[in-house]
Amino acid sequence: GAVVSQHPSRVICKSGTSVKIECRSLDFQATTMFWYRQFPKKSLMLMATSNEGSKATYEQGVEKDKFLINHASLTLSTLTVTSAHPEDSSFYICSAIRWTGMSSYNEQFFGPGTRLTVL
Amino acid sequence: AQKITQTQPGMFVQEKEAVTLDCTYDTSDQSYGLFWYKQPSSGEMIFLIYQGSYDEQNATEGRYSLNFQKARKSANLVISASQLGDSAMYFCAMRGGGRRALTFGSGTRLQVQP
Repeated sequence: GAVVSQHPSRVICKSGTSVKIECRSLDFQATTMFWYRQFPKKSLMLMATSNEGSKATYEQGVEKDKFLINHASLTLSTLTVTSAHPEDSSFYICSAIRWTGMSSYNEQFFGPGTRLTVL
Repeated sequence: AQKITQTQPGMFVQEKEAVTLDCTYDTSDQSYGLFWYKQPSSGEMIFLIYQGSYDEQNATEGRYSLNFQKARKSANLVISASQLGDSAMYFCAMRGGGRRALTFGSGTRLQVQP
């Protein structure tokens, strides 16, 4: 099946630093990728939709200047958490859609997630 | 707006028994898709099963089946013959209305007991 990778899987950083997380679709092209955030024992909350070659679409309440998303190619989207603070500590998961041509069913594959801890 | 409701924060089931995880949804869209994912402690999201709003038959994938009741807007997941490895968080999700991202429910933690 299709695979989506994320790097790094785990990162610990000091408050005030910036952290970049990569999301790659390994065997298919993804014009659209999504970034989710998950707090412990909570559900996945959509942060933004990453569109190849254009600006990301952010969900209400998500600071676009803090969570920078770049979708530079059909297989790579990056999320940069700028000036990270302890409250940004979370599990970040990306996903990508592989379009099958059918309007109602398009497979969505998730990356393994990145656990960010900000000290 | 779309909303997914999972009312069972936690469920216990004996090994080899069947278990039903509840999911109800709310949408005004005519075309939508319903998904179930399993999330073990490692954090990865594992796709289990999909049901399209126009699918007349309930979806099945091995030990997983989806009890789709469109009029009641419910999409319960049935796991037959539970195994210890089924212990995990289970999320119901939907996509529709031209929105490509998934909307997730709050999840149900399933614990399979020997």
